[in-house]
Amino acid sequence: DQQVKQNSPSLSVQEGRISILNCDYTNSMFDYFLWYKKYPAEGPTFLISISSIKDKNEDGRFTVFLNKSAKHLSLHIVPSQPGDSAVYFCAASVGAGNKLTFGGGTRVLVKP
Amino acid sequence: GAGVSQSPRYKVTKRGQDVALRCDPISGHVSLYWYRQALGQGPEFLTYFNYEAQQDKSGLPNDRFSAERPEGSISTLTIQRTEQRDSAMYRCASSSIAGGPEQFFGPGTRLTVL
Repeated sequence: DQQVKQNSPSLSVQEGRISILNCDYTNSMFDYFLWYKKYPAEGPTFLISISSIKDKNEDGRFTVFLNKSAKHLSLHIVPSQPGDSAVYFCAASVGAGNKLTFGGGTRVLVKP
Repeated sequence: GAGVSQSPRYKVTKRGQDVALRCDPISGHVSLYWYRQALGQGPEFLTYFNYEAQQDKSGLPNDRFSAERPEGSISTLTIQRTEQRDSAMYRCASSSIAGGPEQFFGPGTRLTVL
């Protein structure tokens, strides 16, 4: 049973516009949520995280929103740039330092 | 470089052979994790260590899989009597115990079992 789900396998967006990636989870014990970005032939790269005591965390063009009641998080990228084209994974853990449970990924294509 | 390194990057083996995959974590990182990633899916947890102690091996699929980290630095994931279903990307990550929840991933080892 998948505990972390990314229901959109792909997303296409125009350069300069907002990219919104969604992630749903089922395990209410998760208290840390992370987003990773992955280019072909490379390992996943950490982007941004949020703990369950917050509902928003921002880092430059990237903002993560957490809705605990809906067990839903989203990643906003504003403005989107061609270099943002990659696969994005959301992940969650119970406690910092424990195993990460990943979603299946969303492929983002930013068109110039 | 200062990142996580893994070797070999690619491994092709015949069914029934044993393979050993190596991970060299970021210097000073206490925690080391192994994941397996099938094509088109996210990484799936296998096992992890704090220092040399294996904390959780609940993700190892069967007893053909084992891992060690004898000196609390480099780790080896061993798969005995490989089967075709073991073919996947094997990823290693490390993290600082004093840091946040983020784990830093290596480039992975692509294992192909013929």
